[in-house]
Amino acid sequence: KNEVEQSPQNLTAQEGEFITINCSYSVGISALHWLQQHPGGGIVSLFMLSSGKKKHGRLIATINIQEKHSSLHITASHPRDSAVYICAVTSLSGSARQLTFGSGTQLTVLP
Amino acid sequence: DTEVTQTPKHLVMGMTNKKSLKCEQHMGHRAMYWYKQKAKKPPELMFVYSYEKLSINESVPSRFSPECPNSSLLNLHLHALQPEDSALYLCASSQEAGTGHFFGPGTRLTVT
Repeated sequence: KNEVEQSPQNLTAQEGEFITINCSYSVGISALHWLQQHPGGGIVSLFMLSSGKKKHGRLIATINIQEKHSSLHITASHPRDSAVYICAVTSLSGSARQLTFGSGTQLTVLP
Repeated sequence: DTEVTQTPKHLVMGMTNKKSLKCEQHMGHRAMYWYKQKAKKPPELMFVYSYEKLSINESVPSRFSPECPNSSLLNLHLHALQPEDSALYLCASSQEAGTGHFFGPGTRLTVT
């Protein structure tokens, strides 16, 4: 079992729809990250969370530490939101505490 | 300046070539990372530098040689690569090892 699991793997939505991507993890963490990657492109860090909820524009990220679960919500989705969304955690174990990545969610928003 | 820059954006090299990838940040971050990403896969950690010292080498073959000349620069020297090394190479930095990452745009490497 991977330490970080994302669902769904693929998601297709119509423009304007509310989108939720889920992330579950099995290790103790110091932070959880939501990342965005457009096709052929580099990675943009959207959020870093250790508790509660953060909002940036149409994006909202929540985390429940007790349940080891986080969600990324996109309100009023737009075709430019089409990208791979990656959940990653900084675990408490290990000396350098690097990121452990989920397998990503491919989001396609149709006009 | 809140970005990580990488050069070149694209690189095509033969198996006998020697080339280098470069990464730069001016955010005062003390940890820098090299990741390798194959298509439709998450990034895989290669190396971590913390305070200009190599702190993690994830069993990367010696044909990849990292170098951190100073706190702002990170290089990845490439020699005698194989076609399966073709991938997107991502550099990242963070305030300290394990904190929030800033990623560069990556170098798309093709080995022929």
